[in-house]
Amino acid sequence: GESVGLHLPTLSVQEGDNSIINCAYSNSASDYFIWYKQESGKGPQFIIDIRSNMDKRQGQRVTVLLNKTVKHLSLQIAATQPGDSAVYFCAEIGAEGGGNKLTFGTGTQLKVEL
Amino acid sequence: EPEVTQTPSHQVTQMGQEVILRCVPISNHLYFYWYRQILGQKVEFLVSFYNNEISEKSEIFDDQFSVERPDGSNFTLKIRSTKLEDSAMYFCASSERDRGGGELFFGEGSRLTVL
Repeated sequence: GESVGLHLPTLSVQEGDNSIINCAYSNSASDYFIWYKQESGKGPQFIIDIRSNMDKRQGQRVTVLLNKTVKHLSLQIAATQPGDSAVYFCAEIGAEGGGNKLTFGTGTQLKVEL
Repeated sequence: EPEVTQTPSHQVTQMGQEVILRCVPISNHLYFYWYRQILGQKVEFLVSFYNNEISEKSEIFDDQFSVERPDGSNFTLKIRSTKLEDSAMYFCASSERDRGGGELFFGEGSRLTVL
């Protein structure tokens, strides 16, 4: 079946370093991708999104890269801070579906070490 | 900043009991959703709601589940007869537009524990 999955369950980085969180998706019809951050005990928080007609999008300290050829998505966080510690999910919306029915990946725990 | 609010934050119930989880979406949003997250697992779509009717629902959203917008502000999820496997964090979300046209805002969740 269609799925969105993450390569690594846990990523540890030093404060100030750059973080790269990866995500693979299997639905080639997906046309919209989002990265969410989830802190403990809270709901998912939107970070950045990208449409399938783009391969890169930048926000504040974050960059999302989309490689449709290999169906891979990554989130880059520059100068990682302790406040970035959270679980990060990629999510996608398929072109054939409607609404904001998101399919989430399993999540990567980002741990920022001081 | 506007936010989605959910109540209760935590509910403990006995198996077979009815549960209603409440949500107040962001006021100018038109699209409403329920998602759930079983502990340690990924967030799963349950149902989307627009114009007072269900737009789409997942396989999880069986006859035991229902949603309602009883007034202009609340959006509720009812589980008619809870099962142990319904224990999860339930997230309400809302958006201004459809199909990724607007950011999906999530509430902080209602934790349901079924004993």
